[in-house]
Amino acid sequence: QLVESGGGLVQPGGSLRLSCAASGFTFSTYAMNWVRQAPGRGLEWVSAISGSGKTTYYTDSVKARFTVSKDKSKNTLYLQMDSLRAEDTAVYYCAKDTIGSYPCSFDYWGQGTLVTVSS
Amino acid sequence: DIQMTQSPSSLSASVGDRVTITCQASQDISNYLNWYQQKPGKAPKLLIYDASILKTGVPSRFSGSESGTDFTFTISSLQPEDIATYYCQQYDKLPVTFGGGTKVEIK
Repeated sequence: QLVESGGGLVQPGGSLRLSCAASGFTFSTYAMNWVRQAPGRGLEWVSAISGSGKTTYYTDSVKARFTVSKDKSKNTLYLQMDSLRAEDTAVYYCAKDTIGSYPCSFDYWGQGTLVTVSS
Repeated sequence: DIQMTQSPSSLSASVGDRVTITCQASQDISNYLNWYQQKPGKAPKLLIYDASILKTGVPSRFSGSESGTDFTFTISSLQPEDIATYYCQQYDKLPVTFGGGTKVEIK
């Protein structure tokens, strides 16, 4: 099970940290991903972190602004989002991967948390 | 980035009809292609991975195939509960990219 939290309304240029609490599988075995969906739009992969936590991946539009991390002791995935822009407005999903090293196939998803960037 | 061109963007079909969705990759992605189903207000669900392998528990009316850079997703007999938007996704190269989606409705 994956449960996201931390979404909300934030002003442009602001920051927000999303959390995703995981249960029911060995958290350190699988890569974890963040995928977002702007209102009425399609899916966009944002970021991933390997099972070990040693390797992170980002789409170009969020590099240097977003940071993915995980706390294995708490089985929790995080996405620190800084310098937020209006175009970051979306529902953010965390998704478990089927392998441990690299973004691949997303077999379990959370319910999503809405981030709205607006003044 | 690898572009995934999905078509049609929407379709309307009757219960029991055969439904086909296609996804074309902008370059060779081998069979590194997944299909997801997203019902309104819900998170996506993985249906098919590696182009043609049905995830455990997914009804057998769903199937996938590939031919070069062209991928096909088929619902052999459309059911009312299949109303959803379907997405293809490639994972051959980063960034992982999705097709634009196909919204399936009942006629």
